[in-house]
Amino acid sequence: GQQVMQIPQYQHVQEGEDFTTYCNSSTTLSNIQWYKQRPGGHPVFLIQLVKSGEVKKQKRLTFQFGEAKKNSSLHITATQTTDVGTYFCAGLGSQGNLIFGKGTKLSVKP
Amino acid sequence: DAGVTQSPTHLIKTRGQHVTLRCSPISGHKSVSWYQQVLGQGPQFIFQYYEKEERGRGNFPDRFSARQFPNYSSELNVNALLLGDSALYLCASSLDRGYIQYFGAGTRLSVL
Repeated sequence: GQQVMQIPQYQHVQEGEDFTTYCNSSTTLSNIQWYKQRPGGHPVFLIQLVKSGEVKKQKRLTFQFGEAKKNSSLHITATQTTDVGTYFCAGLGSQGNLIFGKGTKLSVKP
Repeated sequence: DAGVTQSPTHLIKTRGQHVTLRCSPISGHKSVSWYQQVLGQGPQFIFQYYEKEERGRGNFPDRFSARQFPNYSSELNVNALLLGDSALYLCASSLDRGYIQYFGAGTRLSVL
């Protein structure tokens, strides 16, 4: 079945350093969504990418969708302690469901 | 506008018992999906409902069932609870299939 893989599983950074998480799908995706889950919280929608090669920015966050629509990345510039959490990518499954990666857990040392 | 609301927030059950979890979607959203999130993993799809009809089902045993009501709220039922059912159960609502899904705060179920 369709799988979404995410690396790395964990990332520890010093505040101010950059952070990137990568997402790969076993199949071509119609779109990809990114979510952030704070410790003890629930997934919060960040962004949806639809077009091949699409790049979107939200302040210090940059999201990219690969040309083949099988991979995506999230890059955070100059991390802050408020960026702590687990970042998930999710592709749309054949049933209209989201297929989540295992997430990348980001910790930021002040 | 209120977001997705789920109840209860926490629940403790023993093996073999039955549990019902409830979800109210965002106003105007007709699709509700249920996910199970085990600690350290991403959410796993259980069910999707749209206009009271089941539109999708994940790889979960028949002990799991759900339904959607005319007001688009939904219930997830789990029978004969196992220790492995301990997880955060998330409800997400969207306008329709394929649209952005917005998650509720979840119900944290502990099975002892």
